[in-house]
Amino acid sequence: QVQLVQSGAEVKKPGASVKVSCKAPGYTFTNYGISWVRQAPGQGLEWMGWISDYNGNTNYAQKFQGRVTMTTDTTTSTAYMELRSLRSDDTAVYYCARGSKYQELYYFDYWGQGTLVTVSS
Amino acid sequence: EIVMTQSPATLSVSPGERATLSCRASQSVTSNLAWYQQKPGQAPRLVIYGASTRATGIPARFSGSGSGTEFTLTISSLQSEDFAVYYCQQYNHWPQSFGLGTKLEIK
Repeated sequence: QVQLVQSGAEVKKPGASVKVSCKAPGYTFTNYGISWVRQAPGQGLEWMGWISDYNGNTNYAQKFQGRVTMTTDTTTSTAYMELRSLRSDDTAVYYCARGSKYQELYYFDYWGQGTLVTVSS
Repeated sequence: EIVMTQSPATLSVSPGERATLSCRASQSVTSNLAWYQQKPGQAPRLVIYGASTRATGIPARFSGSGSGTEFTLTISSLQSEDFAVYYCQQYNHWPQSFGLGTKLEIK
C-alpha cells in the first residue's frame, strides 16, 4: 500500500528554518520523484519544487530558489524539504506528493497527509 | 507562467444530479491536465490525469474531457462523498500550476 508519511506540525519564528520529512514505505522509492506543494490557509495549491528519488536531480519554482533545498535519503526512503528565512506568509500546510522520477512536470498520484508550518513571532 | 482559471468558483448541485466543472488554460497544455479532489482537512486526491484517464479507485461517474485550453470534469450522479473542492493542474509547461479551485456544495 502506497503511503507518504510526513513529519509533525512545526511552529517557527520569522527568519528561522524548517525541515519537513516525507517517508515513503510501500513502494520502490527510487522509481519515482517527489514534489512539494504548499497550501496557505483557505488558499489554493502552490508547487514549490521537485526532486528525483532516482538520481537526486532537483528543480525549484523560481519563487523559492535560494530559499529551499530538497533532498532524499534512499536508505530510509525519505524525502526532505528545508525552507529558510521564514516569513509569516510561509504559514501553510506543506504536502509531499509522488510524481515522475524523470521530470518535474507530472501529475501526483499519492500525497502525504500534510505538515502545518506556522511562522509567528 | 500558465494561468489556470476554474469556473464557477462555487457550484451548488443536488445529490443525484450532474455536475460540470470547467478549467481553462491561458495557453495550450495539450492533454497534460489533472484534476484533484480535496475535502476539508485532507490532502488532495488525484481524480483524473491526462485530461481524461481516471485514477486508480475513482468511480466511473467521474469523467474528464478536453484538450488544448478548455477542460471539463463531469460527475454524472453526485453522491454525498463527492462534495469537495476540485482543482485542475497543468503539467505541460514549467512551472506546473493549479487553478484556484471550484467548491462543489450541496444544494
